[in-house]
Amino acid sequence: DTEVTQTPKHLVMGMTNKKSLKCEQHMGHRAMYWYKQKAKKPPELMFVYSYEKLSINESVPSRFSPECPNSSLLNLHLHALQPEDSALYLCASSQAAGKDYGYTFGSGTRLTVV
Amino acid sequence: EDKVVQSPLSLVVHEGDTVTLNCSYEVTNFRSLLWYKQEKKAPTFLFMLTSSGIEKKSGRLSSILDKKELSSILNITATQTGDSAIYLCAVVGIQGAQKLVFGQGTRLTINP
Repeated sequence: DTEVTQTPKHLVMGMTNKKSLKCEQHMGHRAMYWYKQKAKKPPELMFVYSYEKLSINESVPSRFSPECPNSSLLNLHLHALQPEDSALYLCASSQAAGKDYGYTFGSGTRLTVV
Repeated sequence: EDKVVQSPLSLVVHEGDTVTLNCSYEVTNFRSLLWYKQEKKAPTFLFMLTSSGIEKKSGRLSSILDKKELSSILNITATQTGDSAIYLCAVVGIQGAQKLVFGQGTRLTINP
């Protein structure tokens, strides 16, 4: 299995809703990432987990809450989002830091906040 | 602050043409440079470059890194309409060892 699987593919949520994005990989990668991509912009890093521990938080607002239950799963919990949070959310994984940087991206979740 | 700049931002050519996309970077303790192709969804990996002067090839695509000039190029020969996409360059620096810093991307359009 050489894929990163993200669910759902599309999500529409209201500003008072709570939802979660899910990401899964079975490549044995020990680093997992969340990126946010707005239209016509490059991906921007949000969070990095290394060996299930949060290692980088790029000053992301607390309405985004990451969770890494085990080495294969990464969640992003969403609460009280704003319309400007609408974007493509990409999950990626790679070998741990210092090893191969062959990042693999998931197909993304297209999030719309109404 | 780490920075990646791609040029041109947009390029329109005819099928069969050869194109060269550019990427320059300023990054603390450079580790590697990656090229991705992005169509509708996730970026798909093309190349990872760590050593200067060694060309990597995959079919009609090739790429090379110049550490002295802090830059890389991506060449596509005999372009096809399926090559139309956004091409992203990203670098990894040791300061943010697991962090990819992306350039703005080059939007390539191949007309039949």
